[in-house]
This record gives sequence, structure tokens and C-alpha cells, in this order.
Amino acid sequence: NAGVTQTPKFQVLKTGQSMTLQCAQDMNHEYMSWYRQDPGMGLRLIHYSVGAGITDQGEVPNGYNVSRSTTEDFPLRLLSAAPSQTSVYFCASSGTGAINEQFFGPGTRLTVL
Amino acid sequence: GQQVMQIPQYQHVQEGEDFTTYCNSSTTLSNIQWYKQRPGGHPVFLIQLVKSGEVKKQKRLTFQFGEAKKNSSLHITATQTTDVGTYFCATVTGGGNKLTFGTGTQLKVEL
Repeated sequence: NAGVTQTPKFQVLKTGQSMTLQCAQDMNHEYMSWYRQDPGMGLRLIHYSVGAGITDQGEVPNGYNVSRSTTEDFPLRLLSAAPSQTSVYFCASSGTGAINEQFFGPGTRLTVL
Repeated sequence: GQQVMQIPQYQHVQEGEDFTTYCNSSTTLSNIQWYKQRPGGHPVFLIQLVKSGEVKKQKRLTFQFGEAKKNSSLHITATQTTDVGTYFCATVTGGGNKLTFGTGTQLKVEL
């Protein structure tokens, strides 16, 4: 099992550009989520999904879109990149057992100039 | 939304010293999870606590959940350089395994 994979690992954008951060998991997990990590602020939830076709907003959703057409994939789209979106982005997935352990991908380090 | 405060923000210790990080909430938590993130890495799940007053151990790590389920702690005995990283607490809020993270404690261990 590859677990949770994310691409790309690094990305530099100019203000106003759009892009999609890819996330895939091969553990048949229903729950997937996107976090951003900024220094001193921990991990903040952007969007999450409880299953294919179902998404919802987290704590900091503005400027981001998501979709969940399959159980495996959960892409995050930046519509018009801004310098405030410079961050490290982590995708995570978890199953529905008694222990809600979240498995994180390796992250995407995004810089917006 | 539910907030989880974590202290201290940073901790420098000499190798062999003990280390403790605390997680506090103003409201009762359904559970608490702890994650470790190595420098440049991603968060990795350590443990989940659910019961009031629960104590769990993993080798040199001891995890506690308060009696009122409003606080938790992670204690490392005799730190080693492999313990370096940031430790996060997190709690499940709402449905679907939605997690709220604390701000983390960054641990540095000096020889």
C-alpha cells in the first residue's frame, strides 16, 4: 500500500494563477481532508469529505475548492492564488473504526509570489 | 468552534531530561489524539485517548486524559535525539472524523 500520496511536492505560483493539488489514498478510507500548516498555527482544516460525492468546509475554506468523485481521490483547487496561501498543504484520510487515526500524505510546499 | 490550546510552544531540553506538553480545552472533549511531526515530515498518529482519567504508555511516552476530559498531557521520560519534532494534540469535532488540532509543541533535544 502506498498510503496517502500527494503531488506535487513543491510548487511556486504567481499571484492570480490557479492550480490543483492532487491527493490519493489506497486504503479505501471514507474520510479525507485537507489541512494547511503555517508556522505557529498548527494544522487548520480547509475542506473535508465523508465519502464520495460529499464535501464540506472546514475552518479556512476561502479561496479553495474540492470535489470527491471517487473514494480514492480528493483534489484541492486554488482558484486564484494569493501570497496568503503560501503554506504547506497536507492531505489526510481515515477509516470508520473506533480509533479515528488520520493518515497524512507527505505534503505539498506551496509558495505564491 | 472548539479550540484546543497547547503549551509550551517550544521546549529545549538536554538529552536525558524529561519533557511534557499540555493540551487544554474550555469544553469537554470526546477524545484526544496525539501526533508527532518530525522536521520536514508529516504528522504521524501516536495514540488516541477516550476515557476520563485514561493513562496509556508507549515505551518512554506516557499519555494522560484528564478526569474532566478537558485536558491531556504527553510526557517523555529521558528524551533522546530521536524525540525531536513537533507534538500535536487533536480532538475529533463534529461528524466524519473532523479533527481540530492544537498549535503544537516543538521539542529540541541537545546533546
